[in-house]
Amino acid sequence: GQSLEQPSEVTAVEGAIVQINCTYQTSGFYGLSWYQQHDGGAPTFLSYNALDGLEETGRFSSFLSRSDSYGYLLLQELQMKDSASYFCAVRESKNGGSQGNLIFGKGTKLSVKP
Amino acid sequence: GAVVSQHPSWVICKSGTSVKIECRSLDFQATTMFWYRQFPKQSLMLMATSNEGSKATYEQGVEKDKFLINHASLTLSTLTVTSAHPEDSSFYICSAFTGQLNNSPLHFGNGTRLTVT
Repeated sequence: GQSLEQPSEVTAVEGAIVQINCTYQTSGFYGLSWYQQHDGGAPTFLSYNALDGLEETGRFSSFLSRSDSYGYLLLQELQMKDSASYFCAVRESKNGGSQGNLIFGKGTKLSVKP
Repeated sequence: GAVVSQHPSWVICKSGTSVKIECRSLDFQATTMFWYRQFPKQSLMLMATSNEGSKATYEQGVEKDKFLINHASLTLSTLTVTSAHPEDSSFYICSAFTGQLNNSPLHFGNGTRLTVT
């Protein structure tokens, strides 16, 4: 089976930097994704890492270390609108192949304070 | 713009009735769509994988006779919650990959909030 662990809640102030960690256990690995979900809304794709290293997209960056089965999402210059839940996810692997669907972590609720 | 359209966005129904939720892929063909369910303050849980032209694959613990999935075309999958009960009240979200590569993102519909009274 596959499982992902991430903190349940994080609180930070506007303008700060916050890092949301994710550790995973998978039978096969096809990359680590991050999704953002605002209350009452659907998840939206933020980033994807297949190889080790840092991927930067504006204020958001995502890092992956495959040897450590670990990744993180880094949010810089936090804004109030960044208050949301953030999920890490991996593709399910069956019989050595990727079956397509994503397995999600339990999510980290980020609260940005003024 | 949205690549996956889901309808309705919310529905309230009485216990024992059935509700149909539609999920359409816009501007691309989706041979596979995924139906997730999310209870308040919880993560997304995969219910089933909808395959165009064939039977859906259900996750363990999901009743296939209760949650009927039909994927009649490359752009439409439907989920019907039959004989709904209050415990079926949840946020149902469909999704699809727009590409075949492992790094293609999963796009979600806007979700359907079902309340069974």
